[in-house]
Parts: sequence; structure tokens; C-alpha cells
Amino acid sequence: LAKTTQPISMDSYEGQEVNITCSHNNIATNDYITWYQQFPSQGPRFIIQGYKTKVTNEVASLFIPADRKSSTLSLPRVSLSDTAVYYCLVGDVRDDKIIFGKGTRLHILP
Amino acid sequence: GAGVSQSPSNKVTEKGKDVELRCDPISGHTALYWYRQSLGQGLEFLIYFQGNSAPDKSGLPSDRFSAERTGGSVSTLTIQRTQQEDSAVYLCASSSPGQGTYNEQFFGPGTRLTVL
Repeated sequence: LAKTTQPISMDSYEGQEVNITCSHNNIATNDYITWYQQFPSQGPRFIIQGYKTKVTNEVASLFIPADRKSSTLSLPRVSLSDTAVYYCLVGDVRDDKIIFGKGTRLHILP
Repeated sequence: GAGVSQSPSNKVTEKGKDVELRCDPISGHTALYWYRQSLGQGLEFLIYFQGNSAPDKSGLPSDRFSAERTGGSVSTLTIQRTQQEDSAVYLCASSSPGQGTYNEQFFGPGTRLTVL
């Protein structure tokens, strides 16, 4: 399982774009990159997944450079409700088991 | 049901007692996971099931912890002789590997365990 490294915490302001970068230097060929979001007192929920280049959905964008050794989750125009912990996970599509790290605690300020 | 459910939502017990935590996964999901989360910490993997078998029990903290899954559905996590350090939120998730988004896990609301 590829190890991931992401910032422990980040602060930003309402209306700003927030970018959270995750490093995964030993990512393998079959690994996908997945991000989860966890609000206080709730379980994590899936927000986006990608393999290479760029993926966008209604919640976020995920940018993955050609070497795939890092990825950046981009949240456009954040609001106070985006305050949460964001987890970056890397794993093989054939694996059932994935590992959550400590995540990035994002705090949005008014 | 529509999502993963867990019971009880809260459990307060005395040190040394046994507790059972229950997880009902999404119908049809073959994989089931247990995690533990201490206050302000990330998720700690405990065990996962594929069907009724547990290929990986490496995350169980001690032999006081055990889990089973019957009928490929409901799972029970049992903690014997609870200790204060067992206090945490226990989260269950289920997934259906190989279908659609790779291994997306759907989480339940968790059981908050407090050992006095």
C-alpha cells in the first residue's frame, strides 16, 4: 500500500479556492488516488477519485501530474461548511483494503 | 436499508466489562470494514471482511478484540475486558469492490464507546 503524506492542517477563508496536496512517491501502476471528507461526528464520505490528469465533479477537482507522485485536491470557493478533515488514499484497484492516514484538518474562517 | 447502520450509537461501560458493537452494511456489499477513531485522530484500521472471511486481522489491537460476520451481512465487533484506552468511536464501512468507483467505502454513523 502506498504511503501518503499530506499537511496536518490548513486554514482558509470563505470564498477562496483551497488546494490540498498529497505526496505518494511510491505509487504503483495499478493504484488509484481517492479523497474522502469527514465532518465532525460523522464517518468519512467519498468525494473524488482519479488515476491521472484531471478529474472534476460537483464537489471538487483532482489534479494528478504525469509522474503521479503527488495529487492536489482543489475545492472552489469554500464555505464554512467545508470545514472538515480531508483524507488522501492510494491503493490498488484489486485490493479490498485501504488505509486512512491522519488527513488534513481544513478550517474555513469567515 | 439505504445506508450502513451501527448500534448502539453510544455505549458507556465499566472497565473490565465486555461490549458488542453491531454493523449492518449496505445490502449486497461484500466487503465490510471496522475502524477506530480516537478524539481528534485519524482512522485506525482494525479488520476487514470479504464475505464471511477476514483476510486481514492485522489491525486488531490485542486479543481482547474479535469480530465476526455471518451470512455475508451483519458484523459484530466484540471487545472483552474493556480498558479505558478502548474509548473511541468505532466506525463500520461497507463496499462492493469491482463495481463502479474502485472500492468506495460507505461509512456508518459510528458507535461512541466510553469506558469508565
